[in-house]
Parts: sequence; structure tokens; C-alpha cells
Amino acid sequence: QKEVEQNSGPLSVPEGAIASLNCTYSDRGSQSFFWYRQYSGKSPELIMSIYSNGDKEDGRFTAQLNKASQYVSLLIRDSQPSDSATYLCAVNRWGGATNKLIFGTGTLLAVQP
Amino acid sequence: KAGVTQTPRYLIKTRGQQVTLSCSPISGHRSVSWYQQTPGQGLQFLFEYFSETQRNKGNFPGRFSGRQFSNSRSEMNVSTLELGDSALYLCASSWGQGTYNSPLHFGNGTRLTVT
Repeated sequence: QKEVEQNSGPLSVPEGAIASLNCTYSDRGSQSFFWYRQYSGKSPELIMSIYSNGDKEDGRFTAQLNKASQYVSLLIRDSQPSDSATYLCAVNRWGGATNKLIFGTGTLLAVQP
Repeated sequence: KAGVTQTPRYLIKTRGQQVTLSCSPISGHRSVSWYQQTPGQGLQFLFEYFSETQRNKGNFPGRFSGRQFSNSRSEMNVSTLELGDSALYLCASSWGQGTYNSPLHFGNGTRLTVT
């Protein structure tokens, strides 16, 4: 079992729809969770961070965390073609002593105009 | 505020050579981490430095090494290059440790090709 698992996609959604990206992790002690967006040929860009159970909203993006189910998701409302990218879920298992992140392999999102 | 700067952007080396990659973190950031990204393995942690000390190391052979200077700039070195070392090498910085309210910000990466 991989430490951080994501569906590789591609996830195809029409413009204006809600895109739902999912991620599960294996270590129940994980404390910090991040979503990065990576355009082809570019470096990862931080979109959202979430540390406690529940929802966290930032503009069109909502991150959801459920530690009991070891599940974190990213919702993108009103999806735009410019949102087409690979979305990487990352988890810090170790808390305050390190910045080491375990990344999933990413979900490719394609927003169709 | 300038972002994380990595140099060079592209490198082509031959097997057996060594290479040094450089990273300048965001001003004020004291933590620098290095990651290797390949199509097959995704992003994999190499090592992490904070205040000139290596705080964590990933599962890479000893050919991969790094260091951090007093101004927080960091370098990583790969000796005796192998074809499998071809990858995008990403540097990330943050102001503190633990990522709680101190997330990583990535540079544009150095694309290393080993022939």
C-alpha cells in the first residue's frame, strides 16, 4: 500500500463544473496536509494547506480533511480551463520536527471548455 | 518578494560525472528541502536542511549529498552519475520546520539529463 494514494486520472470535467480530487493516506498519525498544483513542465505550486478536520475554503478551492477516514480532498468550484493541471496531495507524517513531505503521484485534471 | 531560485535550469552530463545544483531560498526562509521528481516515482524526498544542519534524509544512495550555508542557500551534489539520475530536481524552502503554518514553496527546478 502506498503511503499517499491518488487516482491518476485523467479527471475530465466541463467548464463551470465542480472538480473533486481525492487522496488517502496510510499513517494515522499524519498531521499536515497539502494540495499542490503542477502545470506541465512547471514546478509544484501550493494551493491549500489543512491541519484539522473539516473544511477549509479559499476562493474557488475547498480542502476537506477527515482524519478518522484518513482522507483528504480538494474541491474546485466553477472549474476553468486554466485549472487543467496535475494536482498533488502531500502529507507530513512527522509533525513539528521536519518538513519532509510524502507526495501522491498526482491526479491529472482536464477542464473541457 | 523573490521566490525560490534554482540554478542552473538545465544540465546535461554523462555517466560517471558529478554535478552540483544550487538553491537560493525565499528571503527569511531558513529551511531548504530537496526533492527528485521522475515520471515513474513522482516526487521523492532527498534531504532537508535547517540552520546549516541536515535534519532529515531520504532513501537515496550516498552519491547524493547536500549542504546549507549560513545565508540559507543550499547546494546538492550527485557524484558518479547514473542514467537513472535523470530527473527534475526541486528545491523548496519554508521559514520554519514542521510545515505547520510553514508550508513548502518550490523553485522552478533543475532538469538533469544523464547520457
